[in-house]
Amino acid sequence: EAQVTQNPRYLITVTGKKLTVTCSQNMNHEYMSWYRQDPGLGLRQIYYSMNVEVTDKGDVPEGYKVSRKEKRNFPLILESPSPNQTSLYFCASSRDRRETQYFGPGTRLLVL
Amino acid sequence: AQKVTQAQTEISVVEKEDVTLDCVYETRDTTYYLFWYKQPPSGELVFLIRRNSFDEQNEISGRYSWNFQKSTSSFNFTITASQVVDSAVYFCALSDSIQGAQKLVFGQGTRLTINP
Repeated sequence: EAQVTQNPRYLITVTGKKLTVTCSQNMNHEYMSWYRQDPGLGLRQIYYSMNVEVTDKGDVPEGYKVSRKEKRNFPLILESPSPNQTSLYFCASSRDRRETQYFGPGTRLLVL
Repeated sequence: AQKVTQAQTEISVVEKEDVTLDCVYETRDTTYYLFWYKQPPSGELVFLIRRNSFDEQNEISGRYSWNFQKSTSSFNFTITASQVVDSAVYFCALSDSIQGAQKLVFGQGTRLTINP
């Protein structure tokens, strides 16, 4: 089944404890992206990747890192999480930058 | 700048009623893409439709239909004979090439509640 997977689905952590949210797609998509969803602010792009080893900032990159060492994986790294990073995170992928983005199931993160 | 406006924050109807969700967009690009996504209570984002700026044909898929009008910069979504399972938050989104890469700009979403 073609899909985007994210892990973990739910995470509670404390301020400053590094964490990684994994994202993987099995559709051989070149383009991958991370969004966060917050009440009143909607969905905003954090980072995107056009292909392996090619990443760039979205609208709200502060406090996040990404890497794209393999085509299928695009992990989101929070080096020192803070409470304002409490959010619902979505990973998405598409065949290329013009095509439809398909979203993972989401990761709910709570930073205490 | 790119912008998507979904003026209806919440809509509540009784089952079997028809309902239209409005979407108005802004872009300076001549080539762009419009999307609708559904977010059910379980939280995932489900793709519904993609339209490019050169294709103004309306589309129907079962009880769902979409009306794209470039003259009014609108891409409205109608559910006919609504069902309780249609209850969700619906997002309209836009992507264009102004920034050189596909970024989805989302509207704020419309929360649709279908009452039995």
